Amino acid sequence: TQLLEQSPQFLSIQEGENLTVYCNSSSVFSSLQWYRQEPGEGPVLLVTVVTGGEVKKLKRLTFQFGDARKDSSLHITAAQPGDTGLYLCVGWNYGQNFVFGPGTRLSVLP
Amino acid sequence: DSGVTQTPKHLITATGQRVTLRCSPRSGDLSVYWYQQSLDQGLQFLIQYYNGEERAKGNILERFSAQQFPDLHSELNLSSLELGDSALYFCASSRQTSGTYEQYFGPGTRLTVT
Repeated sequence: TQLLEQSPQFLSIQEGENLTVYCNSSSVFSSLQWYRQEPGEGPVLLVTVVTGGEVKKLKRLTFQFGDARKDSSLHITAAQPGDTGLYLCVGWNYGQNFVFGPGTRLSVLP
Repeated sequence: DSGVTQTPKHLITATGQRVTLRCSPRSGDLSVYWYQQSLDQGLQFLIQYYNGEERAKGNILERFSAQQFPDLHSELNLSSLELGDSALYFCASSRQTSGTYEQYFGPGTRLTVT
């Protein structure tokens, strides 16, 4: 059974701080997606990483896929209250279904 | 807007009743997934349909069933409802994009069982 772990589980920071969220597995994934979910709403796809070592940027968010495609990180620079939410990493492999991490709940205080 | 629609947005019903949740996938997506999310919990995979056929099953109770119709919309039927079935129910659709698959989620249906 493929599992994804995320750390930290909870993070509360002040506006303007930087942070990194980690997504780890002992399994290799063909691709990995990051989503942000706000309370009562559906998860919104932020990015998909496919190639080992790949780095993608989305404004103040930087996503990295590990060289071995077993782990990923999300770095947020100068966090803002609008970044508050549940961040989910989701792995995918051919012939199998999507594997969800438990999520990191981020709170950015003004 | 993900392009995935779900109705109704909210549903309040009593224990023992039966409800139907509806999902329309993004145009062109053949796969539909159903998930349950209880308060402050992660997403629990229930079931997947691909082009009208059941493709994979997760932690779906026997009281729950689903189907996907020829126009690719899907319905999730929940029967003999219990208080513990109160949750957010999301559907997602997916297609192959650049050699991989991505899921796009609908806004969810909030089910409250009283």
